[in-house]
Amino acid sequence: DAGVIQSPRHEVTEMGQEVTLRCKPISGHNSLFWYRQTMMRGLELLIYFNNNVPIDDSGMPEDRFSAKMPNASFSTLKIQPSEPRDSAVYFCASSLDRGEVGELFFGEGSRLTVL
Amino acid sequence: EDQVTQSPEALRLQEGESSSLNCSYTVSGLRGLFWYRQDPGKGPEFLFTLYSAGEEKEKERLKATLTKKESFLHITAPKPEDSATYLCAVRSTGNQFYFGTGTSLTVIP
Repeated sequence: DAGVIQSPRHEVTEMGQEVTLRCKPISGHNSLFWYRQTMMRGLELLIYFNNNVPIDDSGMPEDRFSAKMPNASFSTLKIQPSEPRDSAVYFCASSLDRGEVGELFFGEGSRLTVL
Repeated sequence: EDQVTQSPEALRLQEGESSSLNCSYTVSGLRGLFWYRQDPGKGPEFLFTLYSAGEEKEKERLKATLTKKESFLHITAPKPEDSATYLCAVRSTGNQFYFGTGTSLTVIP
């Protein structure tokens, strides 16, 4: 079974450029999460989708960040314009929630460096 | 506010030296507590889910326990391959997952 697939694995860009990160969740999972990980702050929840609908985006840092989930098999996280402080590893994770909550399955992450 | 605190931040053990990692939490309605292992350059890998106080789960040299305010990850006779960062997370009634900052474990041969 394929796990959560993220692309690109590494992105180096210059300040002010647009960055788009992509995620394909595990087939059949109904919840999708975007996280940002830094040494200082650990894993921070950015946004959470359930059945393709954004449920909680209170962790999105500011209007420069946006996320979409047009269908059950694809999600994007966009940063426009990017800034050096956005440099981090961005993880996508999915879960199957039924009666009990399911565990998160993570992708390998997208390491973003903004110069 | 939902919060997860892990201690210690870092732990160095000799091979075979057992110890415990702590995860204390405050959450508005616990739906589950999760332990993950993360290796450098990788995404977190699921280890255990605990749903209610008193519950215990075991996997090889790892055992996770849960009380109403904290969880422990006990490592018995660790090996160098157990070196990793161990993350604790809680899922609240709002369905968000909140992670602690992790414990970096180094097991010395």
